[in-house]
Amino acid sequence: TQLLEQSPQFLSIQEGENLTVYCNSSSVFSSLQWYRQEPGEGPVLLVTVVTGGEVKKLKRLTFQFGDARKDSSLHITAAQPGDTGLYLCAGPKISSGSARQLTFGSGTQLTVLP
Amino acid sequence: DAEITQSPRHKITETGRQVTLACHQTWNHNNMFWYRQDLGHGLRLIHYSYGVQDTNKGEVSDGYSVSRSNTEDLPLTLESAASSQTSVYFCASSETSGRHEQFFGPGTRLTVL
Repeated sequence: TQLLEQSPQFLSIQEGENLTVYCNSSSVFSSLQWYRQEPGEGPVLLVTVVTGGEVKKLKRLTFQFGDARKDSSLHITAAQPGDTGLYLCAGPKISSGSARQLTFGSGTQLTVLP
Repeated sequence: DAEITQSPRHKITETGRQVTLACHQTWNHNNMFWYRQDLGHGLRLIHYSYGVQDTNKGEVSDGYSVSRSNTEDLPLTLESAASSQTSVYFCASSETSGRHEQFFGPGTRLTVL
């Protein structure tokens, strides 16, 4: 079973601070996706990382895929209240016989206080 | 712009009633999924479909059914609603090829009394 563990589960910080959240697995993934979910809405895709060691930047958000493709991190620089939300990582579920299903982590609930 | 919509957004029903949640996507995606989201459990897959007339059970399918008569719609039916099915339900879709990135609807909050 491919499991994705996210840490921390909850994070509350002040506006302007930096933070990193983690997504770890004992399994290799062909790619990992990061989603953000705001209250009362569905998850929205932020980025997909595909190559081991890959780094992608989305404004103040930096995503990294581990060299062994078993983990990923999301770093936010100078967090703003608009970054508040549930951050989910997800990867294709190879064991299903088709990579079209995703395995989701349980998420990191981020609160950025003004 | 392409989108995925769900209706209703909120629903209150009574135990034992049949309930159908609608999901409609205009992405022309073959793959569609239903999840439920509960505190402490994250997103759990209920049913999924890879195309018209194709439906499959996910990890928490008991008490739920789906049908796929066209590309755009995958309605989720609760045959006899139970209090344990109180949850937020999300529909998602994705392309057949590529990175399997999923596009989610806004969700339906269902309360079973």
